[in-house]
Amino acid sequence: AQSVTQLDSHVSVSEGTPVLLRCNYSSSYSPSLFWYVQHPNKGLQLLLKYTSAATLVKGINGFEAEFKKSETSFHLTKPSAHMSDAAEYFCARSDNTNAGKSTFGDGTTLTVKP
Amino acid sequence: GAVVSQHPSWVICKSGTSVKIECRSLDFQATTMFWYRQFPKQSLMLMATSNEGSKATYEQGVEKDKFLINHASLTLSTLTVTSAHPEDSSFYICSANDRQGRGTEAFFGQGTRLTVV
Repeated sequence: AQSVTQLDSHVSVSEGTPVLLRCNYSSSYSPSLFWYVQHPNKGLQLLLKYTSAATLVKGINGFEAEFKKSETSFHLTKPSAHMSDAAEYFCARSDNTNAGKSTFGDGTTLTVKP
Repeated sequence: GAVVSQHPSWVICKSGTSVKIECRSLDFQATTMFWYRQFPKQSLMLMATSNEGSKATYEQGVEKDKFLINHASLTLSTLTVTSAHPEDSSFYICSANDRQGRGTEAFFGQGTRLTVV
């Protein structure tokens, strides 16, 4: 089964410092990869996606992620954290034949300290 | 971008009653929709794939008689939780492909918080 592993269940950073949320995927063929953010009791908001185009993907709110096939990784980064970035983040994958059927990682809770 | 709307956004029901949750694609046609369940502090787990005009495909361990899915049109799928019990309390989220459905992301609804008392 295809899987996604988020390496950190919790990440805590200070406001203004860089953010790194790590995601690895199991590799059988090139998947589509996504990062979503979820605020409490809210649905998912797409931050960015990789669909076999540019390996460095820029998303909303200053986030970006780099697809590294050799490392089967798709880590999410942001140069400077903002208090409003505190939320739950999910890495997900889908097959290119059925984009809506997604497999999610367990999530990473990002805490931003003032 | 494409919009998927879920209704209601939250619902409280008594144990033993049934609850229907709607998932609508507002500006595109969705031949396939997906229903996920999310327990507190956990990830999203796929429950079933809803196919327009045919039976839903359920993931292993999901009771199809308890979670009834109907996808009668290209813009609407419904999930009915029958004879709900407190353990069914959860956050339910749907997503939809556009009709092409290849190489694009899924569009997620805002979710429905179900509380069974």
